[in-house]
Order: sequence, then structure tokens, then C-alpha cells
Amino acid sequence: GQQVMQIPQYQHVQEGEDFTTYCNSSTTLSNIQWYKQRPGGHPVFLIQLVKSGEVKKQKRLTFQFGEAKKNSSLHITATQTTDVGTYFCAAVNTDKLIFGTGTRLQVFP
Amino acid sequence: GAVVSQHPSWVICKSGTSVKIECRSLDFQATTMFWYRQFPKQSLMLMATSNEGSKATYEQGVEKDKFLINHASLTLSTLTVTSAHPEDSSFYICSALRYNEQFFGPGTRLTVL
Repeated sequence: GQQVMQIPQYQHVQEGEDFTTYCNSSTTLSNIQWYKQRPGGHPVFLIQLVKSGEVKKQKRLTFQFGEAKKNSSLHITATQTTDVGTYFCAAVNTDKLIFGTGTRLQVFP
Repeated sequence: GAVVSQHPSWVICKSGTSVKIECRSLDFQATTMFWYRQFPKQSLMLMATSNEGSKATYEQGVEKDKFLINHASLTLSTLTVTSAHPEDSSFYICSALRYNEQFFGPGTRLTVL
């Protein structure tokens, strides 16, 4: 079946440093979504990417969809302690979501 | 808008008992809801798709006789973990589909002793 992998699995950064998580699919994606899950919480929708090569920004967060629509990335500029959590990409398969393996971000003040 | 609730938020039960988890869409109707399971420090794994008025569709490897899903109304889906065992201890999260977007409930943490 379809597999969605993310790297790195964990990332510890000092507050103010940048952070990037990469998402790779075994198959071509129609759309991809990104979620953030705080410890003990549920996934919160961040964004959906649809077009090949698409780049979207939300304040300090930059999302990119690869040209071949098989990979995506999330970059956070100047991390803050509020960015702590696990970031998941999710492949959209009709109405289903196939979640990536996730990247856990820890930010030290 | 698009609020999804789950009840209970946490439950502890003895091995061999059954546990029912409710998922409600509070301010919209959802023909389709999804049930996920998340083990500690792992990703969300889709268990099944719940369709109002029809049988649920289970993902490969998920026992339909163990995880009973009922979607009797447009605002409520229930997941019953039958004869629960310690290995069923997990975080169970539902989502409701609205306009091609999934809205997630807060999750239910199940601990089976």
C-alpha cells in the first residue's frame, strides 16, 4: 500500500533556529495536507497543497509541494517554544488520509 | 464551526470488557466519519471509514468483529472495542468529513488493564 515517510523522526533545536521536515510518498500524490499535533492533543489542520511546485506561507511556516508531487516539505523560520509538537504530512487518497510517520520537534528556550 | 467531540476523553477498563467511544459532529452533518488509532510516539493509522446508514469499511488488518462501528445518524458514529485487551490500549481519534475536509475530534485515550 501507499507509504508516506517523513524525516527526520526527531529534531531538537534552540529557540530561534530554523526547522525543516521532509515528506516523501511512494506514489504520486493528488493533494497533500499538513497537520500539527501538540503533546496529548489531536491533529490540527495547517494547510493543503494541490499544485505541482506549489509554495504557500503562513507567517513563519513555508510549505512546498514537489514538482513530481511525490514529496513535500515544511520549513519553520526562527522557531519558538510554541512550535513544539509533532508535524505530520498526510496524503489525500479520495476522502482518506494516509498520515506520514511524523517529525517531533522540540524547541529549547 | 466544524466542531467534533468525542466521549469519553479517557477510559480505563479491565481486560475482557467492551468499551464504546462516541464521535459527534456538533454543528454540521457528516455522512462520513473516520476512526484512527495512534500508539505512543507513532503516527495515526486509519482503522475504518464510517458511513451513515451503511456498513463501515475497514482497513486491511483491522478486525471488524473486534472494532464495531455504528453510524446511525448524521452526527454520531460509535466505535466499540469488544473484549478489550492490554494491546488495545491506545489513543483513538475520530474525524468527520465536511466539504472534503476532515475535522478531528479531541481523541479518547483507552487503557486496558
